[in-house]
Amino acid sequence: QVQLVQSGAEVKKPGASVKVSCKASGYTFSSYTIHWVRQAPGQSLEWMGLINIGNADPKYSQNFQGRVTITADTSASTVYMELTSLRSEDTAMYYCAREFSSGRSHFNYWGQGTLVTVSS
Amino acid sequence: IVLTQSPATLSLSPGERAALSCRASQDIYNYLAWYQQKRGQAPRLLIYDATNRAPGIPPRFSANGHGTDFTLIISSLEPEDFATYYCQHRVNWPLTFGGGTKVEI
Repeated sequence: QVQLVQSGAEVKKPGASVKVSCKASGYTFSSYTIHWVRQAPGQSLEWMGLINIGNADPKYSQNFQGRVTITADTSASTVYMELTSLRSEDTAMYYCAREFSSGRSHFNYWGQGTLVTVSS
Repeated sequence: IVLTQSPATLSLSPGERAALSCRASQDIYNYLAWYQQKRGQAPRLLIYDATNRAPGIPPRFSANGHGTDFTLIISSLEPEDFATYYCQHRVNWPLTFGGGTKVEI
């Protein structure tokens, strides 16, 4: 069965960086694009970006102004999301999610979420 | 693209019908999904491309709409349906989600 397993919770200080991993299993890793979505406490969902595993081509939301980088390690079937220059507003649950089908950016598989807390 | 969901909260009883609205700030054709999220869990895909139930989703969930106005219908609420529902478009970047509708008892 398809699974996306994320790394554990992180506590970071303002200005630091965080790197969250998302290990995929149960399907052909290179066949589906992986996205990252975050959710601040009590808020809605916010799309951060994606990586096309097949060609390693990332795409990012301009809301993050160059602070986010998404990469993939095909040998480990793992996607990484790094967010730099952290501020308190980045405190959120971060999810990786797999596209429903190639080119259809709706998400039927989600990781369990990684809580990132930014606090001095 | 801004997705506006209404109402913000819907107070209903088990067995009642729920109708949730999602309005887009521009034409998104049928490129809309609906998700259910329970507290402490990741979202769950219910509907994709405006009207198609995702695998494993019970038939009490249905949806319609095209262009800018979309509706998710739960025909008869089960206790497990009380949750928050989000819509999401995929017509262009950035993908965006609506603000959510909380369905409460």
